[in-house]
Order: sequence, then structure tokens, then C-alpha cells
Amino acid sequence: EVQLQESGPGLVKPSQSLSLTCSVTGYSITSSYRWNWIRKFPGNKLEWMGYINSAGSTNYNPSLKSRISITRDTSKNQFFLQVNSVTTEDTATYYCARSGGIPLFDYWGQGVMVTVSS
Amino acid sequence: DIQMTQSPSLLSASVGDRVTLNCKASQNIYKNLAWYQQKLGEAPKLLIYNANSLQTGIPSRFSGSGSGTDFTLTISSLQPEDVATYFCQQYYSGNTFGAGTKLELK
Repeated sequence: EVQLQESGPGLVKPSQSLSLTCSVTGYSITSSYRWNWIRKFPGNKLEWMGYINSAGSTNYNPSLKSRISITRDTSKNQFFLQVNSVTTEDTATYYCARSGGIPLFDYWGQGVMVTVSS
Repeated sequence: DIQMTQSPSLLSASVGDRVTLNCKASQNIYKNLAWYQQKLGEAPKLLIYNANSLQTGIPSRFSGSGSGTDFTLTISSLQPEDVATYFCQQYYSGNTFGAGTKLELK
């Protein structure tokens, strides 16, 4: 069974970078599909952030494009999210999720809560 | 960006009730709409795609309808395990989510 699990620090200071890892088991991230990051803000609004596909190409939400980077380590079957210059507005629960060519998210991680605060 | 508006934001219903949740798009998205269920402390689960197609493994009491700008998710007979927040998502242009409807038991 496909499983995704996020990990990373729960607290980040303003202006610093937020770095998260998504570990995938049960499926190789180089085989197929797109591997996404999605966040849910306090108040429940969900925002798609971007993906890395099985070939290693990326696509980002235009609203975040200047601040985020999604990379991967194929030897560990992991992909990563980095968000630069964070503010309190980046406080959210961050999820990794799988999708196909159509952005339907069929497998999700449990999520990791990240608070941006000094 | 296409905005998705869900109503109501909170819905209380009794076990066995027929429940309808609404989702409205700010422009025509044809049938490019999905519904997700998120229980407390769990990851979201895909229920419906293409407005009315049931994802594998989802109980048949869940159904979706609509096209264009107005969509509904219906639970034909509410069960206790259906308590959750439900999100709609458009994928006609990029993808954006609604703010959710929280469904609780009366």
C-alpha cells in the first residue's frame, strides 16, 4: 500500500526557511505520478503549493513560485519542500500527496503542523 | 484564480438524515470538481471526482452532482462515521479548494 509521511520542524522563525521531507513507501516516486505539497491554514483553507513529477520536473503555484523549491532524493524515495523567507502567514499544516496528470490527490500523508513564530 | 465557495460552513444532522453540501465556483468549471472528506486528525480522503464519479472503496451513500458552477455532495443516510469536514476542489484551471463544510451530529 502507498503511504506518505511528512517530517520536519514544528517551529520556524520569521525570515528563515522551512524545510520538510515526505517519505514514500509502497511506490517508487520515479515510476509515475506527481508528488505534491499542499497546506491547510488555520481556518481550513487548503492551498496547493506545487509538485515534482516522476521525471524530476517541477511545477509551482504561481503565488509561491519565487519562494518555494521542491526537490527529491530518489535513493531514499523522498521528496522535499523548502519555503524561503517565511512569515506568520506560512503557519499551516503541510501535507504531501500523490496525484496523476489530473490533480486529484488519492494518497495523502497525515500532515505536519508548522508554526512560524519568533 | 477560480474561487470555490462552500455552504453551509457548519451543518448539524441526525443519523439517517439525507444531507446535502453545496459548492459554488466563481466561473464555469464544467464537471472538473472533486470532493474530499477529512476526519479529525486524519488525512483528507478523495470521495468523488468529475463531479459525480465515486472513488473506489467509497460507500454508495455518497454521491455528487452538478456541472458548470453549482455542485452538491449528498449523503443519502448519514452515519456516525461521516462526521468530518468536506472540501470541494476545482481542477479546471489549476486547482483550488473551498474552505470546507464541517458536518456534525445533532
